[in-house]
Amino acid sequence: QSVLTQPPSVSAAPGQKVTISCSGSSSNIGKNYVSWYQQLPGTAPKLLIYDTDKRPAGIPDRFSGSNSGTSATLGITGLQTGDEADYYCGTWDSSLSAGVFGGGTKLTVL
Amino acid sequence: QVQLVQSGAEVQKPGASVKVSCKASGYTFTSFNINWVRQATGQGLEWMGWMNPNTANTGYAQKFQGRVTMTRDTSISTAYMELSSLTSEDTAVYFCARTQTGQPHMEIWGKGTTVTVS
Repeated sequence: QSVLTQPPSVSAAPGQKVTISCSGSSSNIGKNYVSWYQQLPGTAPKLLIYDTDKRPAGIPDRFSGSNSGTSATLGITGLQTGDEADYYCGTWDSSLSAGVFGGGTKLTVL
Repeated sequence: QVQLVQSGAEVQKPGASVKVSCKASGYTFTSFNINWVRQATGQGLEWMGWMNPNTANTGYAQKFQGRVTMTRDTSISTAYMELSSLTSEDTAVYFCARTQTGQPHMEIWGKGTTVTVS
């Protein structure tokens, strides 16, 4: 059972937009920055978004992040077949003094 | 370029220990923390703990307290994660990942080390 809650799967057609939610609590998302990771099959996770809404160099602006209270959202526009992957949210939990992740969301581009 | 290179796959028997290494290159090893994250087949990411290579300070997830030890050798820019009393539940891919001090996001990841307990 993950500390952060994500939907198991989402899907959309190429070119469309999709959002992935991440729900937490006042001790994690409500207090600390959220990051998002993309994991392609058989590879290590890759940082997509950090500090809730910042993109590392090289990450296209099709990827965006936002936050509202104890929930965060990853948005992906202009979907491509190459975006098919598992997406994880993560942050620090101040009560647990531990890093925490969501259970992951599998994106299918139909 | 900045990278973390992990040691090769391991097969261990139940009750044994495993030590995975993570060699940093392309940056000053002691300027960033190293975190360890594991992933069982078909499962999500599980944070295990962090280490500050400069001070050797560590923080472990409660689940692994008493069973995990994170160390480093600054002379060769390498971090280690040792997990003891292995069971089949520890079969997973183990990743090391770099974070900045005080920041939760893992900006650079190793490719992972598969540990099989059988």
